[in-house]
Amino acid sequence: QSVLTQPPSVSGAPGQRVTISCTGSSSNIGAGYDVHWYQQLPGTAPKLLIYGNSNRPSGVPDRFSGSKSGTSASLAITGLQAEDEADYYCQSYDSSLRRVFGGGTKLTVL
Amino acid sequence: EVQLVESGGGLIQPGGSLRLSCAASGFTVSSNYMSWVRQAPGKGLEWVSVIYSGGSTYYADSVKGRFTISRDNSKNTLYLQMNSLRAEDTAVYYCARDQGQQPNSWFDPWGQGTLVTVSS
Repeated sequence: QSVLTQPPSVSGAPGQRVTISCTGSSSNIGAGYDVHWYQQLPGTAPKLLIYGNSNRPSGVPDRFSGSKSGTSASLAITGLQAEDEADYYCQSYDSSLRRVFGGGTKLTVL
Repeated sequence: EVQLVESGGGLIQPGGSLRLSCAASGFTVSSNYMSWVRQAPGKGLEWVSVIYSGGSTYYADSVKGRFTISRDNSKNTLYLQMNSLRAEDTAVYYCARDQGQQPNSWFDPWGQGTLVTVSS
């Protein structure tokens, strides 16, 4: 049972927009801690996608965006492409002195 | 180029010990916060341990008392000593640099991972 809750799967057709939610609690996201997102392509290590709730590292397309409100955060992907098919994880900090992850969401491009 | 390369994984019997290494290049391990994160087969990511630049260490409850994180500044390398291994420790272990202002840090970059299999 992950501290942060994500939907197990989402899907969308090429060109569409999808969102992935990440729900926490008053001891992590709701306490004001930042949310970060990672993309894990099949058989590879995770890669930083969004940091500090809504910031994109150099090289990440602006099709990816993040937001945070209250005890939740969201990752939005617009103009869906086949290469976006991957697992996506949110991550934050918990007041129990731990770094915490969501359970991961598998994105399928139809 | 900033890079992390893990090694030391393998097949180990329950109750055994293993030491993982993570060699860094392009930055100084001792000047950064460094973490280990693991991923059981077909499962999600689980943070395991962190070592701060000042030397303080923290662990997930699941490994506390069994795992020890450390570093060798002369080799610019991070380690994870794993003792009393259990079947549920089977996972790919990644090392990663903690970036940004604590405690709002994120992991970047990540190593390629090393597989630890605990089985008789």
